[in-house]
Amino acid sequence: DAGVTQSPTHLIKTRGQQVTLRCSPKSGHDTVSWYQQALGQGPQFIFQYYEEEERQRGNFPDRFSGHQFPNYSSELNVNALLLGDSALYLCASSKTGTGEEKLFFGSGTQLSVL
Amino acid sequence: GENVEQHPSTLSVQEGDSAVIKCTYSDSASNYFPWYKQELGKRPQLIIDIRSNVGEKKDQRIAVTLNKTAKHFSLHITETQPEDSAVYFCAAQYNFNKFYFGSGTKLNVKP
Repeated sequence: DAGVTQSPTHLIKTRGQQVTLRCSPKSGHDTVSWYQQALGQGPQFIFQYYEEEERQRGNFPDRFSGHQFPNYSSELNVNALLLGDSALYLCASSKTGTGEEKLFFGSGTQLSVL
Repeated sequence: GENVEQHPSTLSVQEGDSAVIKCTYSDSASNYFPWYKQELGKRPQLIIDIRSNVGEKKDQRIAVTLNKTAKHFSLHITETQPEDSAVYFCAAQYNFNKFYFGSGTKLNVKP
């Protein structure tokens, strides 16, 4: 049973560039959430996708966008990168509607913006 | 808005001692409170959780308590071991499985 997988594991970009991160949820899960974890901080909620739509959004600008595909996998896109976007980006999957909606995290993508 | 505060930020204990980490949350609608352990360079892993209709839950050396009236919940680790050294995060669930996390506690268990 595969867990949550993310790619790539590391990425280096320069300011102003765009980046796409990818996530495959745990088998049986249909909901994908994205979190940003700055160094020494807890994960911060970016947004959540369910049934191929953005269901909830945290306090992040429109430069952060996403997508969910019919197979429940998801992408996170960040445009016009800023130095402050450097962080570990975590994908978490869950199953909506079961009453046991535990979050399972991937290993993350470490993004460095130079 | 929603907020989760976590204390202490660092905690150093001797092997065999107990460790307690405390969190408070702001939204009384929260009803699910997980705890995650994150080792350096690894993903956060769920170690224990508690729902609002339960006051305490134990799993071997780990226990979590919840005071819904005071909006407090705590993680208790007994008989600590060096492999317990990691960063621990509390979280509170809001609508549709949206979670707010504390800022983390770095636990160091000295052999």
